[in-house]
Formats: sequence, structure tokens, C-alpha cells
Amino acid sequence: GAVVSQHPSRVICKSGTSVKIECRSLDFQATTMFWYRQFPKKSLMLMATSNEGSKATYEQGVEKDKFLINHASLTLSTLTVTSAHPEDSSFYICSAETSGTDTQYFGPGTRLTVL
Amino acid sequence: AQSVTQPDIHITVSEGASLELRCNYSYGATPYLFWYVQSPGQGLQLLLKYFSGDTLVQGIKGFEAEFKRSQSSFNLRKPSVHWSDAAEYFCAVGGEGSQGNLIFGKGTKLSVKP
Repeated sequence: GAVVSQHPSRVICKSGTSVKIECRSLDFQATTMFWYRQFPKKSLMLMATSNEGSKATYEQGVEKDKFLINHASLTLSTLTVTSAHPEDSSFYICSAETSGTDTQYFGPGTRLTVL
Repeated sequence: AQSVTQPDIHITVSEGASLELRCNYSYGATPYLFWYVQSPGQGLQLLLKYFSGDTLVQGIKGFEAEFKRSQSSFNLRKPSVHWSDAAEYFCAVGGEGSQGNLIFGKGTKLSVKP
């Protein structure tokens, strides 16, 4: 149980294009989903928290117009990196949590490379 | 300030040897503590968690951790390491209803010698 998937697992795009990453909870309903960014040899940095049906809450320093998050259903959240630049290249990981459990289950991550 | 410290950046142990990964935390409220493992290029897998009750918690893959409030520690242990345990290990702290405010340590990379 508590399986979270991400798609795609890796993506390469040209600078200036937009990339959408999907995060799905496969066997449970995720009232809250989280998006993290991980730099090489670094820990995870929380980017934003999204609750189903409401606007995402972004961490300080994260551009909400650049990293668009949609949590349209209890099993799906999407992160869209708009007008991507090489500095956006990173490993993006989502996690999902069911209300009341205080436990996050993580997806396998998406490697984004912007050329 | 809320923080998690994993003092060891990289640890190497021989296969079959015991393992202890250290984690110290600073948290203003009652902490919820987690250990996650990350294999290269992969997401994080929950090994175990502590919310309350018995301070020695058992997790998957033969791991256990002990919560010591007096030392603000939550060290991860395994009596006999397998080569497949080589990975990055992250300790994290949160709180009841923290809404995602998980604070991660910087991780400890475990290498296993044959």
C-alpha cells in the first residue's frame, strides 16, 4: 500500500519550454501532496504544499508563477515548470499524505534536464 | 530553530557488520520522527517512523530506531548490513498536523564493503 508514482521519470527539454510532471497516489487518497526539489548530494527542499481543490502554498523563495501546481483530484497533482532554464535542472520529488496520518509517501522522482 | 543533524556524511561498513546512523533533532513541539532511504536516482522509501509509545521502533528491511528524548536523538540501527543496504539515508522530523513541514537532515551515504 501507499504507492506514489511520478511521470515522467526523466525529461530533457529546451530552454524556454514548459514541462509538466505528474504525481499520482495509486492506492490511497491524498488530501495533501508535496513537491520537493533535490540538488546533487543535497537534502530535499520543500517547494510547495497542495491540498486537493485549493491553491498551493509555496515556500519562501519559490516562484509560484514559474512552478505551477495543480491538485485537481485526491489522486493527482501536477507540477509545471514554465519557461524552463538550465538552472531549473534538478531532481523533483513529490510525496502524498492522507489527512490524519502525518506520514508522507514519496514518488520515485523526476530528473529534469534543461538544455 | 527547528533542525535535523546527521553528523556523518558518509559511512562505510563491511557486509555483515552492524550499523548505526546518527540523527539529532531540534523541534519546538512533540516531534514525529522518520527515517527514509533513497537509492541512486530514486525517490524516498519510508523505513520507519516514531510518533509515540514504545521508543524502540521496528521498520522494514530489518532496521530499527530508538527515540531518546533526553538526547534529542533518533538513531537508526541494523544488526547485520547487506550489500543492498548501500544507499542514502535521511532522517526527518515533523509534528502532529504539520501539513508537510518535514525537516530533513542532509543525509548519510552508506557504502557497504564486501
